Amino acid sequence: GAVVSQHPSWVICKSGTSVKIECRSLDFQATTMFWYRQFPKQSLMLMATSNEGSKATYEQGVEKDKFLINHASLTLSTLTVTSAHPEDSSFYICSARTGEPQHFGDGTRLSIL
Amino acid sequence: SQKIEQNSEALNIQEGKTATLTCNYTNYSPAYLQWYRQDPGRGPVFLLLIRENEKEKRKERLKVTFDTTLKQSLFHITASQPADSATYLCALTYGQNFVFGPGTRLSVLP
Repeated sequence: GAVVSQHPSWVICKSGTSVKIECRSLDFQATTMFWYRQFPKQSLMLMATSNEGSKATYEQGVEKDKFLINHASLTLSTLTVTSAHPEDSSFYICSARTGEPQHFGDGTRLSIL
Repeated sequence: SQKIEQNSEALNIQEGKTATLTCNYTNYSPAYLQWYRQDPGRGPVFLLLIRENEKEKRKERLKVTFDTTLKQSLFHITASQPADSATYLCALTYGQNFVFGPGTRLSVLP
């Protein structure tokens, strides 16, 4: 089956640092990758959609200068949380899609101290 | 905009019984409706997909129905087991949009 690998699975860092999260589709080429954010006991909220080789499309209210997305190949997308602050602490999940359904990574728990 | 509701935030059932989860949407009929399972601290895992022109799909102990007139999907787990305890999310694809419901947290009691 389709596998999406997300790395790292958890990260703890100081306020003000930048954190990069990788999302890879291991056994298929993803035309589109998505980044979600999930707060405790809530559903996934879409942050942005990225297509290989083009700029990401951000959802309303998501700061594109804060959450930098790079989709350099059909199997890799990265999300960089720049100058992270405690309010950025959350569970970040990526997904990859080529047709239906979407397949999800296992998430990255980000804790900013 | 599309609004998705799942019948209850939490559902408790006894082991061996059939769990039935509901997903209702308000506006556009989706091209696809999908069900995912999410365990704490993990990403969603795809379970079943049903298309707008399909009425029912089955996979082992799982069954999904789709009624575009009622704008509703039902998700059944038969002979439920404690290992089925998780949050179940329905998700709709319509056009370029993909939207999750809020999820139902299922607990199967031994």
